[in-house]
Amino acid sequence: DIQLTQSPSFLSASVGDRVTITCRASQGISSYLVWYQQKPGKAPKLLIYSASTLQSGVPSRFSGSGSGTEFTLTISSLQPEDFATYYCQQLNSYPRTFGPGTKVDIK
Amino acid sequence: EVQLVESGGGLVQPGGSLRLSCAASGFTFSAHYMDWVRQGPGGGLEWVGRTRNKANGYTTEYAASVKGRFTISRDDSKSSLYLQMDSLKTEDSAVYYCARVSGTVVDTDYFDSWGQGTLVTVSS
Repeated sequence: DIQLTQSPSFLSASVGDRVTITCRASQGISSYLVWYQQKPGKAPKLLIYSASTLQSGVPSRFSGSGSGTEFTLTISSLQPEDFATYYCQQLNSYPRTFGPGTKVDIK
Repeated sequence: EVQLVESGGGLVQPGGSLRLSCAASGFTFSAHYMDWVRQGPGGGLEWVGRTRNKANGYTTEYAASVKGRFTISRDDSKSSLYLQMDSLKTEDSAVYYCARVSGTVVDTDYFDSWGQGTLVTVSS
């Protein structure tokens, strides 16, 4: 199975901050990586697919990059509605594994 | 508008069975692969399994942790997805989500719509 790790697992930030989350895969997965956002009590929401393609309706302050084994999710200017947990997921092989999540909290 | 509504969760004893349902609307259900994903008390997401569409033989995939105990099926005439869970263990306790898979080729098979989830608690 492909293992995904995320760093940091928790970060505290202020509105307006630039935030970067890293996802690393245990083996190369090309660009077959997606990012989801989850708020408490809600289902995850798709943000980015193919490592860097923004899902329709997602604000442009979100961006993704990377390929192979290292990927990043960047929020260019954190907004109040962005405080949530972010998960990466690989689509390269079965089982479709998720990263453990990064919780973004208010400083 | 795409809607996915899960039902069937509840309290069940270890070793017991439960069947979850997911009612879909707002899209051509028969065209899509559909998955189940769960989220345990620790908070992480775990992929449970997939059913492909008719064009791909309704074939299924499962996580190793549920293979042989869980069965995913679908009824395209009812736009419904099912998860039959047998031989339940305490570690199967989680919120179970159904999720629509966007496309049928690699790199398009991400989850673009999710249900609200249904809680399964396995406890004596």
